[in-house]
Amino acid sequence: SYELTQPPSVSVSPGQTASITCSGDILGDKYACWYQQKPGQSPVLVIYQDNKRPSGIPERFSGSNSGSTATLTISGTQAMDEAEYYCQAWDSSTQVFGTGTKVTVL
Amino acid sequence: EVQLVESGGGLVQPGGSLRLSCTASGFTVSRNYMSWVRQAPGKGLEWVSGIYSGGSTYHADSVKGRFTISRDNSKNTLYLQMDSLRAEDTAVYYCAREGVGYGIYYGMDVWGQGTTVTVSS
Repeated sequence: SYELTQPPSVSVSPGQTASITCSGDILGDKYACWYQQKPGQSPVLVIYQDNKRPSGIPERFSGSNSGSTATLTISGTQAMDEAEYYCQAWDSSTQVFGTGTKVTVL
Repeated sequence: EVQLVESGGGLVQPGGSLRLSCTASGFTVSRNYMSWVRQAPGKGLEWVSGIYSGGSTYHADSVKGRFTISRDNSKNTLYLQMDSLRAEDTAVYYCAREGVGYGIYYGMDVWGQGTTVTVSS
């Protein structure tokens, strides 16, 4: 079965850049999405179609997807960005979430 | 307002059954790809089942043969029938709307608040 691997945790200082990776076999051939989930809340879509932001998502969130790695980048990280982040891969035969990354803003 | 509201969760014994409901407002369930996603306590997200606008259904290997996704167009409601439940099915179950069109995937853009299923004797 298809698997996506993320680092368990990422720490970042306020105002700095956080990068979260998501690795999977030929992930670049699939669509990658990213979701933010805060404790006790439902997930929120922050990136779709590799690098597009839904309406209402701040410009500091960006994404890329190539080869076997998708990356979510948070520029100018704010305290409110502290959350768990999940990648997701999709194609006509694949629907899977990554293992999740806890982003801590120190 | 676009919204999804789940219901039907609860405590059930191993081997038992439960039916979850997800009622949509602000959009039409039958015109969208809809999925159920679950999250076990302290764990990550796991896609469970999906149904295309055309009616085709898909299930994760972990629930295939035990769970069935369906919808009632007249009630604008999505369902998840869960049979032969196991302890490892204990989780918060979310329904979500997905954007899929002409081979392009737009992600799960609307989520419900989740309903908790506990399988225990």
